[in-house]
Amino acid sequence: DAGVTQSPTHLIKTRGQQVTLRCSPKSGHDTVSWYQQALGQGPQFIFQYYEEEERQRGNFPDRFSGHQFPNYSSELNVNALLLGDSALYLCASSAGGTNDNEKLFFGSGTQLSVL
Amino acid sequence: RKEVEQDPGPFNVPEGATVAFNCTYSNSASQSFFWYRQDCRKEPKLLMSVYSSGNEDGRFTAQLNRASQYISLLIRDSKLSDSATYLCVVKGWGSARQLTFGSGTQLTVLP
Repeated sequence: DAGVTQSPTHLIKTRGQQVTLRCSPKSGHDTVSWYQQALGQGPQFIFQYYEEEERQRGNFPDRFSGHQFPNYSSELNVNALLLGDSALYLCASSAGGTNDNEKLFFGSGTQLSVL
Repeated sequence: RKEVEQDPGPFNVPEGATVAFNCTYSNSASQSFFWYRQDCRKEPKLLMSVYSSGNEDGRFTAQLNRASQYISLLIRDSKLSDSATYLCVVKGWGSARQLTFGSGTQLTVLP
């Protein structure tokens, strides 16, 4: 039973570029949440996707956008990258529709470095 | 003020010691509470939920005080494998039902 998988594991970009991160949820899960974790900080909620729609959104600018596909996998897109976007980006999946999102299963993350 | 605040740490304790972590949250309407564990450069994993009546899982005991908006985690008989960062997590309700993480407290158990 595959857990949550994310790709790529590491990524280096320069300021102003755009990036796409990918996530496949755990088998049986239909809800995907994205978090940003800066060094020395806890994960910060970006947004959550369920039934291919953004269901909740944290305090992140519109440069951060996402998508969920019919197979429940998801992408996180960040435009016009800033140095401050350098962080570990975590994807978490859960069984949606119940708001039971505390039982999250995290992927191992994508480490994004913006130079 | 941060929504979830934790002891800054780091905590360095010898094997076998008892260590306690504290956490406070600002939103009195918060609904659910958890402790997550994160190993270095790894993903967070749910350690345990926290209930008002207090709950225990082996060497780990969690307590919640809603009146004081305070959460604690007690680890007894520390093992080397307990070394990790412990994240206090609060869940809101309604439009704020996502998880809010504290900054974490780093624990190192020394031989």
